[in-house]
Amino acid sequence: GAGVSQSPSNKVTEKGKDVELRCDPISGHTALYWYRQRLGQGLEFLIYFQGNSAPDKSGLPSDRFSAERTGESVSTLTIQRTQQEDSAVYLCASSLDSFNQPQHFGDGTRLSIL
Amino acid sequence: SQQGEEDPQALSIQEGENATMNCSYKTSINNLQWYRQNSGRGLVHLILIRSNEREKHSGRLRVTLDTSKKSSSLLITASRAADTASYFCATPSSQFYFGTGTSLTVIP
Repeated sequence: GAGVSQSPSNKVTEKGKDVELRCDPISGHTALYWYRQRLGQGLEFLIYFQGNSAPDKSGLPSDRFSAERTGESVSTLTIQRTQQEDSAVYLCASSLDSFNQPQHFGDGTRLSIL
Repeated sequence: SQQGEEDPQALSIQEGENATMNCSYKTSINNLQWYRQNSGRGLVHLILIRSNEREKHSGRLRVTLDTSKKSSSLLITASRAADTASYFCATPSSQFYFGTGTSLTVIP
């Protein structure tokens, strides 16, 4: 079956612009995660959606970052007024239910802020 | 703060040799997971070991878990050039912490 799909795969934008990143999880996966990975670094947790529960937004670095998920399907991560330090790869993952299950990752969106 | 920390940060070995990576964590866990990341790609789940398990095998992978020491190790036997990647341990919680990874290079 299809894996986790992220779009766009690459995004270059000017400082100050807003960007929207999209994630299509595996069908039937109720849990969805967003991470940020800076060059050569580990993964930084951003946000976690689980079913209809309120999302865990505790990892979002500032109020410029927000994310939404429609039911148990597509999620979008929005970064407003982008800064150069936002340049990174943004990875999305989904899992069958809770965070105790293995996560399936997309290949990420490489975001470059000029 | 990060929950899982791998060491070494980088490891370079010859093809056919074994590679061992270690992971330490801080709080109690239900399970510990290992992932691989090839350059420019997302992470791929390798193996999950539950807190009541001490050792688990999957093909050329062997994972051990010592909950008293809050540590785990990943052994890759008979390494291949295709094993070149970064390896991460993850300790699930609501924020799903990943370590900083071990970069493994297998020289043909």
